Amino acid sequence: KNEVEQSPQNLTAQEGEFITINCSYSVGISALHWLQQHPGGGIVSLFMLSSGKKKHGRLIATINIQEKHSSLHITASHPRDSAVYICAVPTFNNAGNMLTFGGGTRLMVKP
Amino acid sequence: SQTIHQWPATLVQPVGSPLSLECTVEGTSNPNLYWYRQAAGRGLQLLFYSVGIGQISSEVPQNLSASRPQDRQFILSSKKLLLSDSGFYLCAWSPGAGGSNQPQHFGDGTRLSIL
Repeated sequence: KNEVEQSPQNLTAQEGEFITINCSYSVGISALHWLQQHPGGGIVSLFMLSSGKKKHGRLIATINIQEKHSSLHITASHPRDSAVYICAVPTFNNAGNMLTFGGGTRLMVKP
Repeated sequence: SQTIHQWPATLVQPVGSPLSLECTVEGTSNPNLYWYRQAAGRGLQLLFYSVGIGQISSEVPQNLSASRPQDRQFILSSKKLLLSDSGFYLCAWSPGAGGSNQPQHFGDGTRLSIL
Protein backbone atom coordinates (compact mmCIF):
# COMPACT_ATOMS: atom_id res chain seq x y z
CA LYS A 1 0.00 0.00 0.00
CA ASN A 2 1.19 3.49 -0.81
CA GLU A 3 1.98 5.62 2.22
CA VAL A 4 1.23 9.31 1.75
CA GLU A 5 2.69 11.96 4.03
CA GLN A 6 1.81 15.63 3.96
CA SER A 7 3.52 18.55 5.64
CA PRO A 8 2.84 20.73 7.41
CA GLN A 9 -0.32 19.47 9.10
CA ASN A 10 -1.37 23.02 9.98
CA LEU A 11 -0.32 26.28 8.42
CA THR A 12 -1.23 29.86 9.27
CA ALA A 13 -0.26 32.63 6.88
CA GLN A 14 -0.86 36.31 6.41
CA GLU A 15 -2.73 37.47 3.36
CA GLY A 16 -0.36 37.87 0.42
CA GLU A 17 2.18 35.29 1.55
CA PHE A 18 3.53 32.56 -0.71
CA ILE A 19 2.47 29.15 0.58
CA THR A 20 3.95 25.70 -0.02
CA ILE A 21 2.39 22.40 0.98
CA ASN A 22 4.37 19.21 0.52
CA CYS A 23 3.37 15.64 -0.22
CA SER A 24 5.56 12.54 -0.39
CA TYR A 25 4.60 8.97 -1.15
CA SER A 26 6.29 5.62 -0.87
CA VAL A 27 5.42 3.72 -4.05
CA GLY A 28 6.00 4.98 -7.58
CA ILE A 29 2.89 6.30 -9.27
CA SER A 30 1.80 7.64 -12.61
CA ALA A 31 -0.34 10.53 -11.34
CA LEU A 32 -1.05 12.46 -8.17
CA HIS A 33 -4.15 14.39 -7.13
CA TRP A 34 -4.47 17.59 -5.14
CA LEU A 35 -7.84 18.24 -3.52
CA GLN A 36 -9.29 21.15 -1.60
CA GLN A 37 -11.78 20.61 1.21
CA HIS A 38 -13.80 23.67 2.13
CA PRO A 39 -14.74 24.43 5.76
CA GLY A 40 -18.23 23.05 5.08
CA GLY A 41 -16.72 19.72 4.05
CA GLY A 42 -17.17 19.75 0.29
CA ILE A 43 -14.18 18.56 -1.74
CA VAL A 44 -13.00 19.95 -5.04
CA SER A 45 -10.38 18.39 -7.27
CA LEU A 46 -7.65 20.96 -7.98
CA PHE A 47 -5.08 19.09 -10.01
CA MET A 48 -4.18 15.71 -11.35
CA LEU A 49 -0.63 15.65 -12.60
CA SER A 50 1.83 13.04 -13.74
CA SER A 51 4.94 15.12 -14.41
CA GLY A 52 6.34 18.62 -14.27
CA LYS A 53 4.07 21.45 -13.28
CA LYS A 54 0.47 22.61 -13.64
CA LYS A 55 -0.90 26.06 -12.96
CA HIS A 56 -4.43 27.25 -12.37
CA GLY A 57 -4.80 30.86 -11.34
CA ARG A 58 -2.75 31.40 -8.19
CA LEU A 59 -2.30 27.68 -7.62
CA ILE A 60 0.73 25.78 -8.88
CA ALA A 61 1.35 22.06 -8.46
CA THR A 62 4.65 20.37 -9.16
CA ILE A 63 5.67 16.75 -9.04
CA ASN A 64 9.01 14.94 -9.07
CA ILE A 65 8.30 11.33 -9.96
CA GLN A 66 11.85 10.17 -9.23
CA GLU A 67 11.85 11.67 -5.75
CA LYS A 68 8.21 10.66 -5.09
CA HIS A 69 7.35 14.18 -4.03
CA SER A 70 4.84 16.84 -4.97
CA SER A 71 4.27 20.40 -3.84
CA LEU A 72 1.27 22.69 -3.99
CA HIS A 73 2.04 26.40 -4.05
CA ILE A 74 -0.33 29.29 -3.54
CA THR A 75 0.85 32.70 -4.65
CA ALA A 76 -0.55 35.92 -3.15
CA SER A 77 -2.62 33.96 -0.63
CA HIS A 78 -6.06 35.23 0.31
CA PRO A 79 -8.38 34.41 3.24
CA ARG A 80 -10.67 32.57 0.83
CA ASP A 81 -7.82 30.07 0.29
CA SER A 82 -8.38 28.87 3.86
CA ALA A 83 -9.21 25.19 3.55
CA VAL A 84 -7.76 21.72 3.99
CA TYR A 85 -5.54 20.65 1.12
CA ILE A 86 -5.23 16.94 0.50
CA CYS A 87 -2.93 15.00 -1.80
CA ALA A 88 -3.87 11.56 -3.02
CA VAL A 89 -2.20 8.84 -5.06
CA PRO A 90 -3.54 5.76 -6.81
CA THR A 91 -3.81 2.78 -4.53
CA PHE A 92 -1.34 0.06 -5.49
CA ASN A 93 -3.97 -2.51 -6.41
CA ASN A 94 -5.97 -0.03 -8.38
CA ALA A 95 -8.77 -2.09 -9.82
CA GLY A 96 -11.26 0.71 -9.41
CA ASN A 97 -9.15 3.87 -9.58
CA MET A 98 -9.01 3.97 -5.81
CA LEU A 99 -7.00 6.64 -4.08
CA THR A 100 -4.90 6.70 -0.94
CA PHE A 101 -5.08 10.06 0.80
CA GLY A 102 -2.66 12.08 2.81
CA GLY A 103 -3.77 13.40 6.16
CA GLY A 104 -4.34 16.88 4.80
CA THR A 105 -2.88 20.31 5.50
CA ARG A 106 -5.15 22.76 7.24
CA LEU A 107 -4.42 26.24 5.91
CA MET A 108 -5.66 29.43 7.49
CA VAL A 109 -4.92 32.72 5.76
CA LYS A 110 -5.45 35.76 7.95
CA PRO A 111 -6.34 39.18 6.52
CA SER B 1 -22.24 17.80 -17.74
CA GLN B 2 -21.86 15.31 -14.93
CA THR B 3 -23.24 15.98 -11.47
CA ILE B 4 -23.27 14.06 -8.22
CA HIS B 5 -25.98 14.39 -5.62
CA GLN B 6 -25.72 13.19 -2.06
CA TRP B 7 -28.32 13.45 0.66
CA PRO B 8 -29.11 14.29 3.33
CA ALA B 9 -26.57 17.00 4.09
CA THR B 10 -26.82 16.49 7.84
CA LEU B 11 -28.31 13.73 9.92
CA VAL B 12 -28.67 13.13 13.64
CA GLN B 13 -29.51 9.57 14.60
CA PRO B 14 -29.76 7.68 17.90
CA VAL B 15 -27.50 4.72 18.62
CA GLY B 16 -29.03 1.51 17.33
CA SER B 17 -31.12 3.15 14.63
CA PRO B 18 -30.80 2.24 10.93
CA LEU B 19 -29.08 4.38 8.31
CA SER B 20 -29.53 4.98 4.63
CA LEU B 21 -27.47 7.54 2.71
CA GLU B 22 -28.04 7.89 -0.99
CA CYS B 23 -25.80 9.09 -3.79
CA THR B 24 -26.70 9.50 -7.44
CA VAL B 25 -24.63 10.52 -10.43
CA GLU B 26 -26.00 12.12 -13.58
CA GLY B 27 -24.51 12.68 -16.99
CA THR B 28 -22.27 9.62 -17.20
CA SER B 29 -22.59 5.87 -17.57
CA ASN B 30 -20.93 3.00 -15.72
CA PRO B 31 -18.99 5.19 -13.31
CA ASN B 32 -16.82 3.87 -10.51
CA LEU B 33 -18.49 4.86 -7.24
CA TYR B 34 -16.97 5.35 -3.80
CA TRP B 35 -18.05 5.91 -0.22
CA TYR B 36 -15.56 7.63 2.09
CA ARG B 37 -15.70 8.52 5.76
CA GLN B 38 -13.85 11.30 7.48
CA ALA B 39 -13.91 11.03 11.27
CA ALA B 40 -13.39 14.22 13.27
CA GLY B 41 -9.80 15.40 12.85
CA ARG B 42 -8.90 12.46 10.64
CA GLY B 43 -8.18 11.93 6.96
CA LEU B 44 -10.40 10.38 4.32
CA GLN B 45 -10.92 6.65 4.60
CA LEU B 46 -12.30 4.58 1.75
CA LEU B 47 -15.21 2.44 2.94
CA PHE B 48 -16.61 0.91 -0.25
CA TYR B 49 -16.12 1.10 -3.97
CA SER B 50 -18.08 -0.25 -6.89
CA VAL B 51 -17.11 -0.79 -10.51
CA GLY B 52 -20.58 -1.89 -11.64
CA ILE B 53 -24.15 -2.72 -10.63
CA GLY B 54 -24.20 -5.16 -7.75
CA GLN B 55 -20.39 -5.14 -7.47
CA ILE B 56 -19.29 -3.86 -4.08
CA SER B 57 -15.86 -4.08 -2.51
CA SER B 58 -15.26 -3.23 1.12
CA GLU B 59 -11.99 -1.80 2.29
CA VAL B 60 -12.47 -2.02 6.04
CA PRO B 61 -14.59 -4.30 8.25
CA GLN B 62 -17.33 -2.28 9.87
CA ASN B 63 -20.91 -1.83 10.82
CA LEU B 64 -21.85 -0.48 7.41
CA SER B 65 -22.83 -1.95 4.06
CA ALA B 66 -23.21 -0.55 0.57
CA SER B 67 -25.38 -1.41 -2.40
CA ARG B 68 -25.55 -0.34 -6.03
CA PRO B 69 -29.05 -1.18 -7.26
CA GLN B 70 -28.71 0.94 -10.39
CA ASP B 71 -25.79 2.05 -12.52
CA ARG B 72 -25.66 5.56 -11.07
CA GLN B 73 -27.01 4.96 -7.58
CA PHE B 74 -24.90 4.09 -4.57
CA ILE B 75 -26.39 3.56 -1.12
CA LEU B 76 -24.67 3.36 2.24
CA SER B 77 -26.59 1.55 4.97
CA SER B 78 -26.46 0.29 8.47
CA LYS B 79 -28.92 -1.84 10.42
CA LYS B 80 -27.81 -0.50 13.81
CA LEU B 81 -25.67 2.59 14.16
CA LEU B 82 -22.85 2.81 16.67
CA LEU B 83 -21.39 5.92 18.26
CA SER B 84 -18.21 5.29 16.27
CA ASP B 85 -20.17 5.69 13.02
CA SER B 86 -20.27 9.44 13.55
CA GLY B 87 -18.41 11.37 10.90
CA PHE B 88 -18.53 13.05 7.56
CA TYR B 89 -19.48 10.73 4.70
CA LEU B 90 -18.55 11.52 1.13
CA CYS B 91 -19.67 9.88 -2.07
CA ALA B 92 -17.49 10.19 -5.17
CA TRP B 93 -17.38 8.96 -8.75
CA SER B 94 -14.73 8.54 -11.40
CA PRO B 95 -15.02 7.50 -15.04
CA GLY B 96 -15.22 3.77 -15.40
CA ALA B 97 -13.53 3.77 -18.78
CA GLY B 98 -10.17 5.18 -19.75
CA GLY B 99 -7.95 3.10 -17.49
CA SER B 100 -6.39 4.24 -14.26
CA ASN B 101 -5.57 7.75 -13.09
CA GLN B 102 -8.97 9.25 -13.57
CA PRO B 103 -10.05 12.28 -11.51
CA GLN B 104 -12.57 11.70 -8.74
CA HIS B 105 -15.54 13.99 -8.28
CA PHE B 106 -17.03 14.36 -4.83
CA GLY B 107 -20.50 15.00 -3.51
CA ASP B 108 -21.12 17.64 -0.86
CA GLY B 109 -21.06 15.09 1.95
CA THR B 110 -23.34 14.07 4.80
CA ARG B 111 -22.46 15.03 8.34
CA LEU B 112 -23.72 12.19 10.55
CA SER B 113 -23.98 12.61 14.30
CA ILE B 114 -24.88 9.66 16.49
CA LEU B 115 -26.40 10.41 19.88
